[in-house]
Amino acid sequence: AQSVTQLGSHVSVSEGALVLLRCNYSSSVPPYLFWYVQYPNQGLQLLLKYTTGATLVKGINGFEAEFKKSETSFHLTKPSAHMSDAAEYFCAVRAGLGAGKSTFGDGTTLTVKP
Amino acid sequence: NAGVMQNPRHLVRRRGQEARLRCSPMKGHSHVYWYRQLPEEGLKFMVYLQKENIIDESGMPKERFSAEFPKEGPSILRIQQVVRGDSAAYFCASSQQQGFSGNTIYFGEGSWLTVV
Repeated sequence: AQSVTQLGSHVSVSEGALVLLRCNYSSSVPPYLFWYVQYPNQGLQLLLKYTTGATLVKGINGFEAEFKKSETSFHLTKPSAHMSDAAEYFCAVRAGLGAGKSTFGDGTTLTVKP
Repeated sequence: NAGVMQNPRHLVRRRGQEARLRCSPMKGHSHVYWYRQLPEEGLKFMVYLQKENIIDESGMPKERFSAEFPKEGPSILRIQQVVRGDSAAYFCASSQQQGFSGNTIYFGEGSWLTVV
């Protein structure tokens, strides 16, 4: 079985500060891991994904995440927050054979203060 | 290339009525997934379909909920005799092929169901 824990349901940072959103996972198979962003009343947009290979994954909008197998973590970071980054972020782990069957965390709402 | 299209975007139903949510996958995609997002929660997998087949319905409630993806036309998520607890956002996603589980899936913008 697979599960995802996002530490901190709300994170607040100042504009220009480091963004760090935490995600820990458990998986009975080699994990494929994803980060999605959701803006109010919209669908999810893929930020980045880890499947195999390089453990540091770069995504859109300046985000990146590092897969650490020993820590079962896949934390999302961005060096400098922008006001437009304010949104809800979801970490997910593959949960089945289908490309789209994933187990999602409960989400972290990112607030960016001017 | 149009994205995943869902309609209606917003639907209001009275308790006991039926709700039908439609999803047209991206062009060339034959795999469809439905997720439900309750308020203040993450997405929960409901069902995975290919054309004319239900592949995995492990997340579907046992009663009142059904899904189909016919040979022609959109995928339909049907909720019969809706109750207030069905109020949620329902998201559809599609992907090109199953084989490689790292394939990117694309989400629609969701259908918000409100049961009054």
